[in-house]
Amino acid sequence: NAGVTQTPKFRILKIGQSMTLQCTQDMNHNYMYWYRQDPGMGLKLIYYSVGAGITDKGEVPNGYNVSRSTTEDFPLRLELAAPSQTSVYFCASRLTGTSSYNEQFFGPGTRLTVL
Amino acid sequence: KNEVEQSPQNLTAQEGEFITINCSYSVGISALHWLQQHPGGGIVSLFMLSSGKKKHGRLIATINIQEKHSSLHITASHPRDSAVYICAVNGFTSGTYKYIFGTGTRLKVLA
Repeated sequence: NAGVTQTPKFRILKIGQSMTLQCTQDMNHNYMYWYRQDPGMGLKLIYYSVGAGITDKGEVPNGYNVSRSTTEDFPLRLELAAPSQTSVYFCASRLTGTSSYNEQFFGPGTRLTVL
Repeated sequence: KNEVEQSPQNLTAQEGEFITINCSYSVGISALHWLQQHPGGGIVSLFMLSSGKKKHGRLIATINIQEKHSSLHITASHPRDSAVYICAVNGFTSGTYKYIFGTGTRLKVLA
């Protein structure tokens, strides 16, 4: 299994540009999450999904959109990039079920700079 | 006040020292996750625990659910242990499982 994969690894955007951060997992996990980590700070939840077709906002959703058309993929869309969106973005997934013991598995991250 | 507090925020140690990082939380949980993040790197899972103690190599994690406290110990620390250590508690809110993260402990081990 490749686990959770993210593309691209790095990206520089100009203010106002758009882009999609890709996230794919091959573990058949129903739960998927997008986080951002600003320099020197902790992880903040942007959006999450509990299954294909179901998404919901986290703590910091403004400026982002998500979709979940398949179990495997959970892309994050930035429509009008702003310098405040300069951050490292992590995708994570978690096994479905009611066990609270199931851990989240993280992707390698995408480092985004908006200039 | 954060629901998950870690201490210390920063820690510098000499190689070989015994290190303890603490995590206290104020919410009800049933599991806690310790994560490691090297500078500029990804997030690696260390331990997931709901009771007692777990050991892996030089790393030991303990949790006391009643006291709402967990510790991560590193024995015989090494410069390669230099990283940010993150505590995350697994909470069930709004019908789904989400992590509540601590702010992290930045560890630097000097040779």
